[in-house]
Amino acid sequence: GQQLNQSPQSMFIQEGEDVSMNCTSSSIFNTWLWYKQDPGEGPVLLIALYKAGELTSNGRLTAQFGITRKDSFLNISASIPSDVGIYFCAGQGGSQGNLIFGKGTKLSVKP
Amino acid sequence: EAGVAQSPRYKIIEKRQSVAFWCNPISGHATLYWYQQILGQGPKLLIQFQNNGVVDDSQLPKDRFSAERLKGVDSTLKIQPAKLEDSAVYLCASSLLATYQETQYFGPGTRLLVL
Repeated sequence: GQQLNQSPQSMFIQEGEDVSMNCTSSSIFNTWLWYKQDPGEGPVLLIALYKAGELTSNGRLTAQFGITRKDSFLNISASIPSDVGIYFCAGQGGSQGNLIFGKGTKLSVKP
Repeated sequence: EAGVAQSPRYKIIEKRQSVAFWCNPISGHATLYWYQQILGQGPKLLIQFQNNGVVDDSQLPKDRFSAERLKGVDSTLKIQPAKLEDSAVYLCASSLLATYQETQYFGPGTRLLVL
């Protein structure tokens, strides 16, 4: 089945640093999504990308939909302690909305 | 607006026992999803409902898992009998429609531990 390779698995950074994570796939997706999951909670949508090449920002977060439609990256600028959590990429390939998730990137921010 | 509600939040059972989880989606959302999230992994879709009909259950282990959404609102997911490898977080999500541009909103999940 379809799989997403998300990297890095984990990151330990200092507050104020920028962060970059990415996702690649062997399959083409129509939509790329980035979610954040806090402990004990469900994933929350951060950014949705619907068009190849699209670059979208949401505050300090910026994400891009790769031109090949097989990859996406998420950048977080000037990290703060509340950025701590697990970030998941997800791709949608079909018309029914089914999501395929990556394994997540665990972000730790040192004050 | 109230979010997706799930209960119970935690459940511990022994293998071969049965367990059921309940989900109440956001009001008006026609599409409901159940995901399984094993520790250290991303969520994996088990089943998708559109109103009270099943759209996709290709990854549901049907020998032991069942799900229903009888009136097109609330849904229950059942495991009978449970195995050790069923230990995971079971997430329910809902969206207004089933099209690819509709945002899925997730509930807090039910954490299941099978001993």
